[in-house]
Order: sequence, then C-alpha cells, then structure tokens
Amino acid sequence: ETGVTQSPTHLIKTRGQQVTLRCSSQSGHNTVSWYQQALGQGPQFIFQYYREEENGRGNFPPRFSGLQFPNYSSELNVNALELDDSALYLCASSLYRDRGEKLFFGSGTQLSVL
Amino acid sequence: AQSVAQPEDQVNVAEGNPLTVKCTYSVSGNPYLFWYVQYPNRGLQFLLKYITGDNLVKGSYGFEAEFNKSQTSFHLKKPSALVSDSALYFCAVRDVGSYNTDKLIFGTGTRLQVFP
Repeated sequence: ETGVTQSPTHLIKTRGQQVTLRCSSQSGHNTVSWYQQALGQGPQFIFQYYREEENGRGNFPPRFSGLQFPNYSSELNVNALELDDSALYLCASSLYRDRGEKLFFGSGTQLSVL
Repeated sequence: AQSVAQPEDQVNVAEGNPLTVKCTYSVSGNPYLFWYVQYPNRGLQFLLKYITGDNLVKGSYGFEAEFNKSQTSFHLKKPSALVSDSALYFCAVRDVGSYNTDKLIFGTGTRLQVFP
C-alpha cells in the first residue's frame, strides 16, 4: 500500500455537472499528478502540480483543472461533465527530484457519468 | 511521439512456471521504461524501471525485466509464477518531451492469470 489516499472512491454524476476529486500525497512528496484510466485502457496523464502550480499538462481540455495546496494535497475539478469522462481517476505523488522515475499511486476514484 | 505496445491482452500461466509479459517501445533517444502492476480495486504499484546500465533489471516481488535495444523490447519476467501474481500489468515509457513532469505513457495493459 502507498500513502496516497483519494476520495471519494466512487462517484455518480450526470452529464453537465461538475465534480471535485481529492488526493492526499504520500508524506514528504511535493509533486502530484493526475491520470485518467478509461475502461480497458492504460492511464493517461492529465496534469501535474508542483509548488502549487501546474507544470505539465496532457491532451485534456481546460474544463479539467486542478489545485495543489501548501500541504501538497490536491484536487481535480472537471466541469461540464461528458459521458466519456466516465473513468478511474488516479492520483500519483512523487518527489520532484525523482520526477518521472517512481510514482506512488492512490487507489483511484471511479467516476460514472450518466 | 513515444509509445509502448503490449501485444497480449491476457497471459495465462500455471503456478510454478516461468512467465513473460511482453512490451515493445517506440522512443526517440534513450528510453526510460517502467513496469507497474494493478491489483483489483487498487492503484498502480511500481515494479521496476530501466534508466541506463545493465539490460537485466530486477524489481519487486521477484520480477525482472530485460531491456533489448535492438528489438526495442522491455519484457517482464519471473522465473516461477505465483497465483498471487495474477493482476493487470502495465508497461510505460517516460515522455521525453515533458522532462520536468511525471508524465508517463502507458500501454493498454496485459492481464496475467496464474492458475494453481
């Protein structure tokens, strides 16, 4: 088990709504990234936060946004939900000096959009 | 663009037999390669990585991976499979265009089923 915790574990929303997912990083980790894992697919990088600023983004529209707080916890916000947003959302933390080399993932939030 | 391919959706192996989960990559330059495992209702867990050095990389839970530059492959192996190894395995490559991030490009995953 990693020290990365995510909440909630499951969520059901309807199309057009907004959702906020939360993540607490592993102790001592200063970088958090978010991934979307659609059914039957590998995780896809959404974005990363370091020092409370976004410092990298994948191919996701602006309605996907995030925050990182001084205690390194993070939120993922998705506006105007679409059916294709249904997926497992994974948070991962790391030390910036180890960036890209070892990620610690949480168990994810399963989002269903109806 | 970087990518990894996992040609097998599922691999079946009997307990005690050796296992191989295949991965090929396409990267410009030197690749940073990874294997992660995902158990049901759990997040991904890091198994091992190849950055540079020996082509045979040893990781967690007795797994190892062999980097082959000429074949652009990074196959995951274990000499003797356990039923508890049954899980979903992902190969990944670091995105060289996003050096300052944790952006990994994952394959589609291979489900490993180990039968008693």
